[in-house]
Amino acid sequence: IAGITQAPTSQILAAGRRMTLRCTQDMRHNAMYWYRQDLGLGLRLIHYSNTAGTTGKGEVPDGYSVSRANTDDFPLTLASAVPSQTSVYFCASSKVPGTDTQYFGPGTRLTVL
Amino acid sequence: GQNIDQPTEMTATEGAIVQINCTYQTSGFNGLFWYQQHAGEAPTFLSYNVLDGLEEKGRFSSFLSRSKGYSYLLLKELQMKDSASYLCAVRDRDYQLIWGAGTKLIIKP
Repeated sequence: IAGITQAPTSQILAAGRRMTLRCTQDMRHNAMYWYRQDLGLGLRLIHYSNTAGTTGKGEVPDGYSVSRANTDDFPLTLASAVPSQTSVYFCASSKVPGTDTQYFGPGTRLTVL
Repeated sequence: GQNIDQPTEMTATEGAIVQINCTYQTSGFNGLFWYQQHAGEAPTFLSYNVLDGLEEKGRFSSFLSRSKGYSYLLLKELQMKDSASYLCAVRDRDYQLIWGAGTKLIIKP
């Protein structure tokens, strides 16, 4: 692995189902982030983690949860998916929280029907 | 509220020069980033400005004026592969990144 990987690449999900998007980085970066990207809007921060064991809420956290059990993994869970969560989801990481360049994974395209 | 403004779309000719503007109103300022995003791909880092002035990196340059809340990305000697969206992002006083919606750049032969 080199950089950040995300899984799945794409997913179609029925409303009401639970879904976990996976994100793994091998750069030993301290900070990780989850964004959603919708047409006509900028990237919006969902949740972030400045270091393993800590998480924080971003601009649009409702309906999503995260955990950071170790440095490498930062899964995003939709407890009960709704159609408004249809989006492209990007995971990102940076070596230093807040003050460093963010590097992005390839994204997960999620459709909730 | 916090706001980042960029043109939605621009068209330019291969070999030419194009300037993509970004204006911002944020709670504090701790740097401005430009990212490139090809269709269906992840954003990739292009440049970072924290002080006023021009930063040059090959065919790409980025300018910042903090007093005017303004930045631009200048792309020279345009190539077809430069067709992409260009995202402007500002780091606010809490060190959170605020993102513009991006400018889709179309390059024509």
